[in-house]
Order: sequence, then C-alpha cells, then structure tokens
Amino acid sequence: AQSVTQPDIHITVSEGASLELRCNYSYGATPYLFWYVQSPGQGLQLLLKYFSGDTLVQGIKGFEAEFKRSQSSFNLRKPSVHWSDAAEYFCAVGGNTGGFKTIFGAGTRLFVKA
Amino acid sequence: EAQVTQNPRYLITVTGKKLTVTCSQNMNHEYMSWYRQDPGLGLRQIYYSMNVEVTDKGDVPEGYKVSRKEKRNFPLILESPSPNQTSLYFCASSAGTGRGYGYTFGSGTRLTVV
Repeated sequence: AQSVTQPDIHITVSEGASLELRCNYSYGATPYLFWYVQSPGQGLQLLLKYFSGDTLVQGIKGFEAEFKRSQSSFNLRKPSVHWSDAAEYFCAVGGNTGGFKTIFGAGTRLFVKA
Repeated sequence: EAQVTQNPRYLITVTGKKLTVTCSQNMNHEYMSWYRQDPGLGLRQIYYSMNVEVTDKGDVPEGYKVSRKEKRNFPLILESPSPNQTSLYFCASSAGTGRGYGYTFGSGTRLTVV
C-alpha cells in the first residue's frame, strides 16, 4: 500500500542552524515525490519535486531534498534556517498508478528559535 | 495570476443543511482534487477529477459529492453535513498526471458543522 511517514511531529531549530526534515515512503512503482509548505492560515505551496534524474533536487526558498531509493527516503534540507521558515511541512508521494493519487504525510511543524 | 480560488473561506452550518464549496482554477488544468485536513492526519483525498465529466473517489468520499461540468470548476457538495465533517478543506489542481506535476492549492475553507 502507498504511504508516507514523517517521523517527527514537530522540530525546533535555532535561526541560522541547519535543518533536515525526514520523510519515508512506500510505493509500488517509481514514485513522484514532493515537499509542500503550509504557513499558518494558508494553503499548501510546492517547495520541490522529484520525478526522475538527479536525486538531489533544488527547490524554492533555498530548500533541497535528496531521493534515496535504497532507503525509501526523501529528506528535506536547508543549510541555514530563517525565522520565516516556521511553518508546517508535508511530504507527499504520487505516481502514474491508481489515477495519480497523491498521498500526503501527516506533516512536521517547524519552530524557529531566535 | 495563476490561482485556485475557493469560496467561502469560513463556513458555519447546522447538521443536515446542504452546502456547496466552490472551487475554480484559471490555469486550464485537467486534474483537480479535494482534500480535507485534520490534525495529526495530514491531507486525505476526498474526490478527484481527471477531466470534464470524469470524477472518482479518493480515500474518504463518504458524505461528499462532486461534479465537473466545466474544466475550471470543481465544486464540493455536502448533501447532509454532519459534525464529523468539520474540517479544513482544500481544492487543488494540477497540469496533468505524468512527470510528477505538483499541485496548486487554494487557500482553504474552514467548515464547522454544529
């Protein structure tokens, strides 16, 4: 069955510190992988996506993610966090099976300390 | 500006009173979807549509209806709302089903059923 696990419900990092948000997925075929960010009271915004090619993908706002097939992971990273990065982050997996259903993880809420 | 527009943003209704949440996109996207977001559960797909007059159930379709008579519009209908449908609802659209197209999300509709 298709699923996405984000092991951390919330994470707190200091401003300027590096960030890594974890995501593990289960998918029977070649997955498309996504990270979305949701600021309070807002809809979700696509940060980056992986569908083929280079396993290290760059996104908006200075984020990057690395696809590791052997570990079924797609972790999100940022070298230096800014206070404006405080938000909820969702990992998602989809593909060409089952009518392009996209499955979302439960989310990780990021808190940034001054 | 490319966007997905949902209305209303906030809605309080009583049990059993039919309601419709509208969703419209201006990007000529083929694929549209409705999600509900509940704390700790992430986003769960209610219904999706791959094109005009083509709709299918997602993971939590019970108590909801949709229609896709025009490409740009994808309303969500609750024929007889119940308190367990109190949630934050998002409409999303995508350019297609291949190559990992990501979603563009609306700003959300917060529904309370009393």
